[in-house]
Amino acid sequence: DQQVKQNSPSLSVQEGRISILNCDYTNSMFDYFLWYKKYPAEGPTFLISISSIKDKNEDGRFTVFLNKSAKHLSLHIVPSQPGDSAVYFCAASVGFGSARQLTFGSGTQLTVLP
Amino acid sequence: SQTIHQWPATLVQPVGSPLSLECTVEGTSNPNLYWYRQAAGRGLQLLFYSVGIGQISSEVPQNLSASRPQDRQFILSSKKLLLSDSGFYLCAWSVTTGELFFGEGSRLTVL
Repeated sequence: DQQVKQNSPSLSVQEGRISILNCDYTNSMFDYFLWYKKYPAEGPTFLISISSIKDKNEDGRFTVFLNKSAKHLSLHIVPSQPGDSAVYFCAASVGFGSARQLTFGSGTQLTVLP
Repeated sequence: SQTIHQWPATLVQPVGSPLSLECTVEGTSNPNLYWYRQAAGRGLQLLFYSVGIGQISSEVPQNLSASRPQDRQFILSSKKLLLSDSGFYLCAWSVTTGELFFGEGSRLTVL
């Protein structure tokens, strides 16, 4: 049972345009959501997060939107740059404590075309 | 600053051979440690996590095991590798914020 789903395995966007990566989840207990970026042969790096008490969080070119009623979150990158080309993983977690466990989506390969 | 290292970076092993991947974290005390696997075309699957020395929780039944002999050392092992064990293995650490910090990854190919 996949609790976090990224239904688009790939996305191509022109440089300078907006990239929108989507993520859906099924577990209504998730209270913290994160996006990670991964280049080939490297470990993922944290990009941006959002708590369930918010519906938007912005950091530079990156904005994450959370729609709790739809159990949907999205990552907007604007303007997109060629260096943004990577696999983006959505992740979610339940509860607080000393060992938060993240459930990851399957990832979306973003390609930004120059 | 905190750093995490795992090795080897790449490994090619025959079916039935043993495995040992090692991960160490520097610059933090009592971290939570994790082993993830990314199989081809799939997301990140949590294999093991540890909240302290000798404390290991397994998320997925398999022929892999993990050990934490020291506070900042996490080891992933297998006595006999299967073809299905091929993948990209990632060690990670966290404290209480929920944010994970990943190592560079280890590419395992089982032939």
